[in-house]
Amino acid sequence: QVQLKESGPGLVQPSETLSLTCTVSGFSLTSYSVSWVRQPSGKGPEWMGRMWYDGDTAYNSALKSRLSISRDTSKNQVFLKMNSLQTDDTGTYYCTRDYTMGIDYWGQGVMVTVSS
Amino acid sequence: DVVLTQTPPTLSATIGQSVSISCRSSQSLLDSDGDTYLNWLLQRPGQSPQLLIYSVSNLESGVPNRFSGSGSETDFTLKISGVEAEDLGVYYCMQATHAPLFTFGSGTKLEIK
Repeated sequence: QVQLKESGPGLVQPSETLSLTCTVSGFSLTSYSVSWVRQPSGKGPEWMGRMWYDGDTAYNSALKSRLSISRDTSKNQVFLKMNSLQTDDTGTYYCTRDYTMGIDYWGQGVMVTVSS
Repeated sequence: DVVLTQTPPTLSATIGQSVSISCRSSQSLLDSDGDTYLNWLLQRPGQSPQLLIYSVSNLESGVPNRFSGSGSETDFTLKISGVEAEDLGVYYCMQATHAPLFTFGSGTKLEIK
């Protein structure tokens, strides 16, 4: 079955870089696109960016200068790196499987706290 | 960017009551291919969001038919006909028409009286 699982540090220092990994199973990264979506506590989700099935990327313009998404198809993994973290970057980070109509699967999410 | 405005922000309902949630878009969500990519999600407490309805009115597999969606262009509605206890959580509308950027509404929290 389709599964996505996020992993990474739960605590990041202000001004440091966040690195997260999304490991997928049950589908191929060359057939489906994967997005990163984050959600501050008590607020709605925010789409961050996408790794397209063909290897291209797309970013939310509000985050583009700080964000990089890459992948390793041999390991079924998609990576997120975001630099210059601040306290308002605290929240739950999800990876999702995208399809024509939107998002059909979400990972369980990983909580990231930005604090010294 | 597209802004989705949901109302009301909170709903309190008794079991069996029917409720509706509104989602208004700042731009038309009618795609050039003729489809409208407006989806509804439910996030239960402590869980990830899950897809309920896609393309305005299509029920995702396994979703009870007490859920229904309607609307067009900029105005959309999610209706629950006979709320059950398991329906509590936060409901979000989400647009995928103006991809690659997906946009989410601010959410409607459904509480059970």
